[in-house]
Amino acid sequence: GAVVSQHPSWVICKSGTSVKIECRSLDFQATTMFWYRQFPKQSLMLMATSNEGSKATYEQGVEKDKFLINHASLTLSTLTVTSAHPEDSSFYICSALLNEQFFGPGTRLTVL
Amino acid sequence: GENVEQHPSTLSVQEGDSAVIKCTYSDSASNYFPWYKQELGKRPQLIIDIRSNVGEKKDQRIAVTLNKTAKHFSLHITETQPEDSAVYFCAASWTGGGADGLTFGKGTHLIIQP
Repeated sequence: GAVVSQHPSWVICKSGTSVKIECRSLDFQATTMFWYRQFPKQSLMLMATSNEGSKATYEQGVEKDKFLINHASLTLSTLTVTSAHPEDSSFYICSALLNEQFFGPGTRLTVL
Repeated sequence: GENVEQHPSTLSVQEGDSAVIKCTYSDSASNYFPWYKQELGKRPQLIIDIRSNVGEKKDQRIAVTLNKTAKHFSLHITETQPEDSAVYFCAASWTGGGADGLTFGKGTHLIIQP
């Protein structure tokens, strides 16, 4: 149990376009989900906390207008990277909270 | 905000020996300290956690110790095996389960030499 999926697993896009990443809790309901960013061979950095039915809480330094988060149901949170640029290229991992955080497999974003 | 320091960044041990990874944190309000194992290309997996009202916790070959006064906690792996090779992350949070989000250390690449 406690499985979290992400879609897509990887995506390549052109600079200036927007990309949506989905995070789903498959076998449990999650009021709270989190979005992290992981640079190559580096740690996970918390970007924002996503709460079902309310606005996301962003960490200091994370642009909320650039990284749009929607948590419309108890099993789905989405992260949209708007007007993506090469510096947004990274590995994005979500997690869903049950009694602990269960992580998704991550999404590799490459912006050309 | 919270800051978590983790050492060493790389640790190489002989199979069968013990490995110790250490973390320090800055926020005395932190109460939950999990450890994650991340194999190459895979998601982080919780291997053990400890809460601030406990000084030590053990699960088979893995143990975690916590010193709240000094604000540091350590991961101990005994009788290491090749499958223990991975990147290990410590983290800290105010609330149990990481309900308020996790602050991660930079990770330790553990290499088990056959």
